[in-house]
Amino acid sequence: QKEVEQDPGPLSVPEGAIVSLNCTYSNSAFQYFMWYRQYSRKGPELLMYTYSSGNKEDGRFTAQVDKSSKYISLFIRDSQPSDSATYLCAMGVIKAAGNKLTFGGGTRVLVKP
Amino acid sequence: DGGITQSPKYLFRKEGQNVTLSCEQNLNHDAMYWYRQDPGQGLRLIYYSQIVNDFQKGDIAEGYSVSREKKESFPLTVTSAQKNPTAFYLCASSSGASLQFFGPGTRLTVL
Repeated sequence: QKEVEQDPGPLSVPEGAIVSLNCTYSNSAFQYFMWYRQYSRKGPELLMYTYSSGNKEDGRFTAQVDKSSKYISLFIRDSQPSDSATYLCAMGVIKAAGNKLTFGGGTRVLVKP
Repeated sequence: DGGITQSPKYLFRKEGQNVTLSCEQNLNHDAMYWYRQDPGQGLRLIYYSQIVNDFQKGDIAEGYSVSREKKESFPLTVTSAQKNPTAFYLCASSSGASLQFFGPGTRLTVL
């Protein structure tokens, strides 16, 4: 079993819909959680990060962490065709310099106009 | 502009050849990382370096080598010992125990 599980998709939604993405994890030591967006043939770009359970909002994006259930989510409101990308969750343990992240396999999202 | 650059964008390797991928950052980050990404898979850590002249193996270091002679540079060599090198290679950096930021990637293809 992988440490971080993420449905590969593809997840297809109409423009304007809410996109709901999630990851489950098995390592209770994980302390911080991130979501990256990756367009085809590009490097991942950091979208959201959080160090605690609960919700964090940034514009159309909401990241949710439930440490008791070992479950994190990303919601994208009012989705746009430009949101079509692969979304990677990542998580890590806070240590001295050189934090190692564990990534999910990514969910491909397609927003149709 | 501050950021991470990787070169080349595309690289072709013949059987038995060693090739070196470049990664440079001007973010003044201490730590740098190399990941490999295969189609439909997440990122797997090859090597990472927390400080100049020091580096550690990641989860899939066999067939790869690195050096860290300067803070801003962390080149990755894919050796002939790497049996399946065709992949997308990503370099990242972070400041201490904080968030990682990625470069644009190098796509390596074995001919």
